[in-house]
Amino acid sequence: AQSVAQPEDQVNVAEGNPLTVKCTYSVSGNPYLFWYVQYPNRGLQFLLKYITGDNLVKGSYGFEAEFNKSQTSFHLKKPSALVSDSALYFCASNDNTDKLIFGTGTRLQVFP
Amino acid sequence: SAVISQKPSRDICQRGTSLTIQCQVDSQVTMMFWYRQQPGQSLTLIATANQGSEATYESGFVIDKFPISRPNLTFSTLTVSNMSPEDSSIYLCSVEDGGFGSYEQYFGPGTRLTVT
Repeated sequence: AQSVAQPEDQVNVAEGNPLTVKCTYSVSGNPYLFWYVQYPNRGLQFLLKYITGDNLVKGSYGFEAEFNKSQTSFHLKKPSALVSDSALYFCASNDNTDKLIFGTGTRLQVFP
Repeated sequence: SAVISQKPSRDICQRGTSLTIQCQVDSQVTMMFWYRQQPGQSLTLIATANQGSEATYESGFVIDKFPISRPNLTFSTLTVSNMSPEDSSIYLCSVEDGGFGSYEQYFGPGTRLTVT
């Protein structure tokens, strides 16, 4: 069965430092992979996706993610974190249909 | 991307009652989805709302508990029936947008439901 794993419940980083939020996947076939962000008391916002092509995907707010097929990973990265990046981040994959399977989420806390 | 609104944004309901949540999109979309996000947890797909036909429910969710309507390509409702405290969650609708085969989903702001 398809699954998405986010091994870290929380990631803490100082403002200005690079950040990484980890995601691994287990899917059959070619995966479609997504990152979403959820700010407090708000719905999910689409950040970026990987379907095919370049393994480095750039998205909103300066975020990027790297698809690594051999490690079945799709880690979210940003070169320089902002306090305003503090939020809940979800990795997701679809099962080659329209259904999204979400990871358990990682809370990012950026300290000033 | 599509702009999605939900009503109500939050509600506190008594057990045994029902609540209908509305989802409105500013453009016509084929695929609409309803999710549940229980406190401190991830999102779980309840059902896919199909225009002109019955919704398609995921394992663990049934029509009697979560009836869904999809009268046109811009609107859907989810009813949470005979509520219990275990139904306290955030309920989110989403639509698939971004072009054919993009599989990008965009979410409404959610409805925070508390059942007492």
